[in-house]
Amino acid sequence: KQEVTQIPAALSVPEGENLVLNCSFTDSAIYNLQWFRQDPGKGLTSLLLIQSSQREQTSGRLNASLDKSSGRSTLYIAASQPGDSATYLCAVGVYNTDKLIFGTGTRLQVFP
Amino acid sequence: GAVVSQHPSRVICKSGTSVKIECRSLDFQATTMFWYRQFPKQSLMLMATSNEGSKATYEQGVEKDKFLINHASLTLSTLTVTSAHPEDSSFYICSADPPYQETQYFGPGTRLLVL
Repeated sequence: KQEVTQIPAALSVPEGENLVLNCSFTDSAIYNLQWFRQDPGKGLTSLLLIQSSQREQTSGRLNASLDKSSGRSTLYIAASQPGDSATYLCAVGVYNTDKLIFGTGTRLQVFP
Repeated sequence: GAVVSQHPSRVICKSGTSVKIECRSLDFQATTMFWYRQFPKQSLMLMATSNEGSKATYEQGVEKDKFLINHASLTLSTLTVTSAHPEDSSFYICSADPPYQETQYFGPGTRLLVL
């Protein structure tokens, strides 16, 4: 059974810092991996999607890497801003389905 | 971009009543939608996959008779929580897959409180 874990569970940093959020999964047979952002009491916004054959994806200040063999992904946030405060979720896609298995989440707070 | 809506955004009901939550894809057709629940400060747990024109597929441990799913059209799936109890209080989120895209688009969620 696929299990997805995120570390740290919570993170509080001053504005301007570069951050690394970690995601690990137990079964390397994934279809893809996605990072989402969730604001309190809201739905999810997709940030980055990495195909299983890819190593990384970048969007603006965000960079996500994927190491399938070791079951790990990282989300790098450069020059963090208070507007980045949210919960970040990683999710792995299951082969031959459209299902997503979500990680435990990292609650990020960036203070001015 | 693809938009998914949910209604209602928040509902309070008495124990024993049934509550229906709607999930709509506004600008695309979705043969498959997904229903998740999320407890406070926890991650999303997939409850079921809603398939247009056929029965939903439920995840292990999810009671299909308690959480009724109907996907009657290509733009609408409904989740009915039957005989709701306080332990059913949670945040319910749906998602849908636009054609030819690999990412799911999520609704804004419905917060259910059962008294």
